[in-house]
Amino acid sequence: GIQVEQSPPDLILQEGANSTLRCNFSDSVNNLQWFHQNPWGQLINLFYIPSGTKQNGRLSATTVATERYSLLYISSSQTTDSGVYFCAVGYNNNDMRFGAGTRLTVKP
Amino acid sequence: SQTIHQWPATLVQPVGSPLSLECTVEGTSNPNLYWYRQAAGRGLQLLFYSVGIGQISSEVPQNLSASRPQDRQFILSSKKLLLSDSGFYLCASRASAAYEQYFGPGTRLTVT
Repeated sequence: GIQVEQSPPDLILQEGANSTLRCNFSDSVNNLQWFHQNPWGQLINLFYIPSGTKQNGRLSATTVATERYSLLYISSSQTTDSGVYFCAVGYNNNDMRFGAGTRLTVKP
Repeated sequence: SQTIHQWPATLVQPVGSPLSLECTVEGTSNPNLYWYRQAAGRGLQLLFYSVGIGQISSEVPQNLSASRPQDRQFILSSKKLLLSDSGFYLCASRASAAYEQYFGPGTRLTVT
């Protein structure tokens, strides 16, 4: 099956800093999503982005499908951005594979 | 948009006891439904998925089973819980004509 690797595993930032999270995947995909898991465990959809670039406020994402990676950018980070960020990919719609996540801590 | 409900939110059960976790979906018809388990706050593992009533596919052999008695209801069960069944269980839904999965709030299960 598809392998998904996220980096870095842990990231500590000062409030206001920018960051880039990376997701590498091992095979062609037609589904890629980024999620934020908040401290209460809720998974929040950030982007559906199998290719191209999208922006939503301080967050943006880029997927280069031909090179099998996706990047999530967080600008001007806030303490509420803390949590775990997951990348999930799939080719078959019922076979989404999650990476191990990047744990982000934003300090005030 | 879809809303996914899960209950209970937390559960503490002794080893050997039965389990029933419920997931219901609002806002879409004939969704694809999923059960995931998350251990130690990292990495979601797909346990079961369903493309319709009574249709269940299992991703990994385990002590758990799933059922879909109604279009927007998905149940995760066990006859006898093991310590290793502890974890955070998440239900997800995908509209049949879309790619994005949406998640419920989860059930935190502790087996003692």
